[in-house]
Amino acid sequence: KTQVEQSPQSLVVRQGENCVLQCNYSVTPDNHLRWFKQDTGKGLVSLTVLVHENDKTSNGRYSATLDKDAKHSTLHITATLLDDTATYICVVGDRGSALGRLHFGAGTQLIVIP
Amino acid sequence: EAAVTQSPRSKVAVTGGKVTLSCHQTNNHDYMYWYRQDTGHGLRLIHYSYVADSTEKGDIPDGYKASRPSQENFSLILELASLSQTAVYFCASSDMGTDYTFGSGTRLLVI
Repeated sequence: KTQVEQSPQSLVVRQGENCVLQCNYSVTPDNHLRWFKQDTGKGLVSLTVLVHENDKTSNGRYSATLDKDAKHSTLHITATLLDDTATYICVVGDRGSALGRLHFGAGTQLIVIP
Repeated sequence: EAAVTQSPRSKVAVTGGKVTLSCHQTNNHDYMYWYRQDTGHGLRLIHYSYVADSTEKGDIPDGYKASRPSQENFSLILELASLSQTAVYFCASSDMGTDYTFGSGTRLLVI
């Protein structure tokens, strides 16, 4: 059973628009949640990590929130650029140390058009 | 710059043949992992290792072996490649916390 669900599956926006990606999960315990960006044919690059209840993070045009009660996270991308075209993957870690497991969502494919 | 390097970048293998995927990290991380990515699915853990000369089974180990000859190197071995093993394979390393670094992936096509 998939423990990390991402929505939408795919999204097309025009350059300059904002967008919001969703991540719902059922992983327990939920030690931390990380958003990755994966360019086509490339590896995963970490955008941000959220650890605490109601955490909010900001990394340039990327900002994220975490609601551990609702087991829900959002990734906001403001003023999108063509280079934002990629797959965004939500990952939940069930423990703080590497002894825990990472649970991966299938990703949201974002396409930014001119 | 600390990194995780995978080789080869891509490979075509024949069914029943042996395939070895290599991974090298310069992060000084103790933990290394092999994942596979299939279209429409999240990454799934194949094997991992906490220390050199020791490997552990992940969630989908069948058909795969792993080898960790040193802290820096971690290999994934397909003794008898099958069509179902066509996928993109990612290696990663981590510290004790939440810091994970992924390689760029190896695209494997089994024909």
